[in-house]
Amino acid sequence: GAGVSQSPSNKVTEKGKDVELRCDPISGHTALYWYRQSLGQGLEFLIYFQGNSAPDKSGLPSDRFSAERTGGSVSTLTIQRTQQEDSAVYLCASSSFGQATNEKLFFGSGTQLSVL
Amino acid sequence: KQEVTQIPAALSVPEGENLVLNCSFTDSAIYNLQWFRQDPGKGLTSLLLIQSSQREQTSGRLNASLDKSSGRSTLYIAASQPGDSATYLCAVKSSSTGNQFYFGTGTSLTVIP
Repeated sequence: GAGVSQSPSNKVTEKGKDVELRCDPISGHTALYWYRQSLGQGLEFLIYFQGNSAPDKSGLPSDRFSAERTGGSVSTLTIQRTQQEDSAVYLCASSSFGQATNEKLFFGSGTQLSVL
Repeated sequence: KQEVTQIPAALSVPEGENLVLNCSFTDSAIYNLQWFRQDPGKGLTSLLLIQSSQREQTSGRLNASLDKSSGRSTLYIAASQPGDSATYLCAVKSSSTGNQFYFGTGTSLTVIP
């Protein structure tokens, strides 16, 4: 597609359930980021993928969170045993990452996760 | 660690006014600085990207400046319109702070018709 696609756009789940969020980056973009945006808060970095390199998982808040990127394209963020504090908008962004000084981010519309 | 601050948190202006949004950052070893726009319930849309070697970038009614030595950037919006109402965020990526972009918490702009 023309832009970054995220699904679902909204997800309501019960506390303790597992959820999977999907991100389809712009074709050809080698870098992919996941961020979390809580109400009234700034964007919180979660994880970064670049090509075939090992992902930077330094932002994942707990071991309940994991992410993978298959074939250097689609990424899935999985949250196990969801808690109410996981409620937020989960944003995915991709970039072509030619040069660091010229790296421009393109964001998807996000997944609004609500944990009841 | 990089810290990014945006002031003011909210701004309301009458249509037609020129306005300035501010962004400050603590680590000046940045690769670039980007300004984004976020509409309610939407993702972020990139407005302008200023590379570390540049001083400013312009797109239409928008002009962004960068002063690395003082750790500041401004976004100037000329002749504001109601359609400019949104939250504006700035973000930086530094050579010394890893792979992530650090974002400010944004300025919520309302342009009153």
